[in-house]
Formats: sequence, structure tokens, C-alpha cells
Amino acid sequence: KNEVEQSPQNLTAQEGEFITINCSYSVGISALHWLQQHPGGGIVSLFMLSSGKKKHGRLIATINIQEKHSSLHITASHPRDSAVYICAAPYSGGGADGLTFGKGTHLIIQP
Amino acid sequence: NAGVTQTPKFRVLKTGQSMTLLCAQDMNHEYMYWYRQDPGMGLRLIHYSVGEGTTAKGEVPDGYNVSRLKKQNFLLGLESAAPSQTSVYFCASSYLGSSYNEQFFGPGTRLTVL
Repeated sequence: KNEVEQSPQNLTAQEGEFITINCSYSVGISALHWLQQHPGGGIVSLFMLSSGKKKHGRLIATINIQEKHSSLHITASHPRDSAVYICAAPYSGGGADGLTFGKGTHLIIQP
Repeated sequence: NAGVTQTPKFRVLKTGQSMTLLCAQDMNHEYMYWYRQDPGMGLRLIHYSVGEGTTAKGEVPDGYNVSRLKKQNFLLGLESAAPSQTSVYFCASSYLGSSYNEQFFGPGTRLTVL
């Protein structure tokens, strides 16, 4: 099973700050997922990436496959970015499917 | 398109009762998953299915059974509920497996077992 670690667990920042959330995993993978869980509980997929960098609006995700590390960045953060951000990696070995998740980073952006 | 829907949204059970959670998707996805989310822990995979008529165990399958009789539906059953099964349950689906496609999540079912 892939072990997924995220840091920090909690992050409070001021509006406009540049935010970085880190994710490391233990077993080589072909793709990594970043998800967002809204305060109301809903979960949406933000990115799935296998190499390099992806950008959606103010969100940027990067991955270094060799170092087994990924980062999620938020530029010009806004209070509406307040949510839990979750990193997830596919199960590896034995042909199993599904995701193994980090515990999440609880982000609060203050006005 | 409704995406992924879950029924019910909330449920309270007494220990020993049984229930079935229904997940439905209208995106023609092959893969479907059931996860549980508990405070202080990441989401954990209960069971999954790679296509109609197939199911497989995930990380925490004990106490649960599943069925995928139709491609669009994935049912999660609790035969004899226990307080340890108090959790929020999420269903998800994807076109292909976790290494190839993003997953789409349902809104969740909050289950309390007394």
C-alpha cells in the first residue's frame, strides 16, 4: 500500500498570500491526485498529474516522480479557497485499484 | 447530468440493524468505489468495482458487502451495523482506474450507529 503524507496539517494565511501544500508518497506511481473538500463536505477533483506541472486558474500542481513528491500552490489566495486539500495516490501492487489518501491540509484564508 | 448521487444523505441505525447505501452514476463509468471518512484519518477504501458484475475488497472491507448488478449502480450493505461503522461514506466513480482518470465523488452519506 502506498503511504501518503501531507504537510502542513493546518494552515492559516491572509488573503493574497501564496500558499504551498506538500505531499510525499512511498511507492512509485503513474499519477497523483489532488482533491478539495468543501466546508459542506463535498469532494471535487482538482488535478490528476503524472509529470511536470498543471495549472487551473490560481491553482498550480507540480510533481517530481523521482523524488516521490508533489506540491499544490495557490496564488493570490482568497477566503473562498478555505477548504481541506487532499493528496491521493493509486494503490500499487497486486493489481488493486482505488486511492490511498493523505489526511488532508485544512486551509483557512482570512480576509 | 446528475453525476454521482448517493441515497440516503443521513441515517441513524441501532446496533445490529442492517441497511443498504445506494450509489448511482450517469456518466457511463466502468469503475466505482466506496470510501469511508473518519475524523483524523484520511479517506479509506472499503470496496470497489471495475465493471458490472465485479467487485473487489479494499483496505477496510470487514463488515460490509457490495454488489454491482447494473453498471450505473453500486450498493454498499451493512448486514449487522456496529458503532465502529459510524462514519461518512463517499461513493466515487471513474471511467478507467485510479492511475488513468480522475474520480467523481458523490455528496456523501452520514451514518450514525447507536
